Amino acid sequence: DTEVTQTPKHLVMGMTNKKSLKCEQHMGHRAMYWYKQKAKKPPELMFVYSYEKLSINESVPSRFSPECPNSSLLNLHLHALQPEDSALYLCASSQDRTENYNSPLHFGNGTRLTVT
Amino acid sequence: GENVEQHPSTLSVQEGDSAVIKCTYSDSASNYFPWYKQELGKRPQLIIDIRSNVGEKKDQRIAVTLNKTAKHFSLHITETQPEDSAVYFCAASLRGSARQLTFGSGTQLTVLP
Repeated sequence: DTEVTQTPKHLVMGMTNKKSLKCEQHMGHRAMYWYKQKAKKPPELMFVYSYEKLSINESVPSRFSPECPNSSLLNLHLHALQPEDSALYLCASSQDRTENYNSPLHFGNGTRLTVT
Repeated sequence: GENVEQHPSTLSVQEGDSAVIKCTYSDSASNYFPWYKQELGKRPQLIIDIRSNVGEKKDQRIAVTLNKTAKHFSLHITETQPEDSAVYFCAASLRGSARQLTFGSGTQLTVLP
């Protein structure tokens, strides 16, 4: 069982489609993250929300648009993606109360995205 | 920014033997070092972590050591089992913040029965 829930598990979309990935956590964590992971590579940070505000955007193309409706939910809106965007998209959360609080990441099971 | 190097990229051991994975980091301000295990098709899962005020930490068959002076830390798995087969990622956190976590490149561990 995972405490961070992601939907859908798998998604196939064309380059002209618009779709959304969803993430939910009920651990009371105040930081939520989107990572992109290619096969056998480490996760790459895309976005960080802290207390529902976007705090980090790692120069991600505008075809990826994050949204944090509340402290438990995180969405990633996808539009006009390219085949090279095919990857595992991982959501994570952490307590992250202060900068020096050692707070591990809790990952969801991810959404396997294929862009055709 | 922080840079984390991880070696080896692949490691095969016989069941029952020990496995060691090594990582180095560049920024002395990093003070939290988690290790994640990722089985095929699954999410990364935290298996052990260590803080910079500790030199070694053990949890059953898994141990992590940290040498702050040399800026390196290692994962040790004893009495390996086939279910230990996975990709292992080390990471270093700048000032302990999960928002500033840098991953190593990963090690594919295969435990041969």
